[in-house]
Amino acid sequence: DQQVKQNSPSLSVQEGRISILNCDYTNSMFDYFLWYKKYPAEGPTFLISISSIKDKNEDGRFTVFLNKSAKHLSLHIVPSQPGDSAVYFCAASAGTYKYIFGTGTRLKVLA
Amino acid sequence: DVKVTQSSRYLVKRTGEKVFLECVQDMDHENMFWYRQDPGLGLRLIYFSYDVKMKEKGDIPEGYSVSREKKERFSLILESASTNQTSMYLCASKGLLMGNSPLHFGNGTRLTVT
Repeated sequence: DQQVKQNSPSLSVQEGRISILNCDYTNSMFDYFLWYKKYPAEGPTFLISISSIKDKNEDGRFTVFLNKSAKHLSLHIVPSQPGDSAVYFCAASAGTYKYIFGTGTRLKVLA
Repeated sequence: DVKVTQSSRYLVKRTGEKVFLECVQDMDHENMFWYRQDPGLGLRLIYFSYDVKMKEKGDIPEGYSVSREKKERFSLILESASTNQTSMYLCASKGLLMGNSPLHFGNGTRLTVT
């Protein structure tokens, strides 16, 4: 039973445009959500997080939106740059040590 | 910045060998984790440790053990490597066990078992 789902395995976006990566979850106890970026042959790098008491968090070009009623999380990257090309994982936690990761979305930003 | 260092980037081992994967963090974090990443499966938790000599099983502990003799070091041991343990192994550390804080990952060890 996959509690955190990233239904799009890949996404291509033109440089300068907006990239929107989506994540759905099933466990209503999740209260902390994170996005990680991963380049090949490297470990995931923490990008941005959001607590369930908020519906939006921004950090520079990255914004995470949380829709609790829909159990949906999205990451917006504006403007997209070629260096953003990577695999993006969303993750969720119910306030414990355990983080449940999605299967990842490969983003390709075209120059 | 948190620095999590995994001693090997690439390893090739034979079936049946005992394999040690080492991880060191420099942020005095109590909590350390071992994940494996496989295509289409995301990251899955193998073991974690919340203090020296303390460990807990994650979701897929079978075939693995761990050792935490010092706070900064967390080792993953494959007792008898098998081909289905070919994977990317990721070590992580975290400051608060139950609080909302991110995991910080090392660069990973790509293990191939032949």
